[in-house]
Amino acid sequence: RKEVEQDPGPFNVPEGATVAFNCTYSNSASQSFFWYRQDCRKEPKLLMSVYSSGNEDGRFTAQLNRASQYISLLIRDSKLSDSATYLCVVNHGGGFKTIFGAGTRLFVKA
Amino acid sequence: DGGITQSPKYLFRKEGQNVTLSCEQNLNHDAMYWYRQDPGQGLRLIYYSQIVNDFQKGDIAEGYSVSREKKESFPLTVTSAQKNPTAFYLCASSPDRGRGQPQHFGDGTRLSIL
Repeated sequence: RKEVEQDPGPFNVPEGATVAFNCTYSNSASQSFFWYRQDCRKEPKLLMSVYSSGNEDGRFTAQLNRASQYISLLIRDSKLSDSATYLCVVNHGGGFKTIFGAGTRLFVKA
Repeated sequence: DGGITQSPKYLFRKEGQNVTLSCEQNLNHDAMYWYRQDPGQGLRLIYYSQIVNDFQKGDIAEGYSVSREKKESFPLTVTSAQKNPTAFYLCASSPDRGRGQPQHFGDGTRLSIL
């Protein structure tokens, strides 16, 4: 079993749609959680951290469920510019213990 | 602007040749990392350094070497022992030495075999 698992997609959605991604992690000692965005042939960029109480940044909402060991990302009112691969990232102490998921591809179409 | 600079963007390696990828950061971060990304896969950790003059092997260190003589610089050498070097190489840094803060990435180097 992989330490961090994501549905690879692709998710194809129309502009304005709401889309949600889930990610599961296997290490119950995990402490920090993040979502990154990676455009084609570019570096990953931090989208948002994920906090236990859930957090929102504009159209993006992240949730953490420690009991079930998954995190989620919700994107509302999708834009064409949201098309990218979204990486789920989990850390269990120290930067070298950061595990990156393989990513979920999202295509937003006009 | 603060950031991480990787060079070159594209690199071609001949068989039997060692090549060095540059990574420089001006974020004053203690920790630096090298990752390899292959198509459809997550990032895999090659080497990391939490402090100057110290570095540790990651999950796939064989065929690679690094140095950390300055806080700002963490070059990666891909040696001839690395038989499948074609990949996207990403350098990252973070301020922490153990608190799991998010990492920030350079824009990567694509390495191919000639």
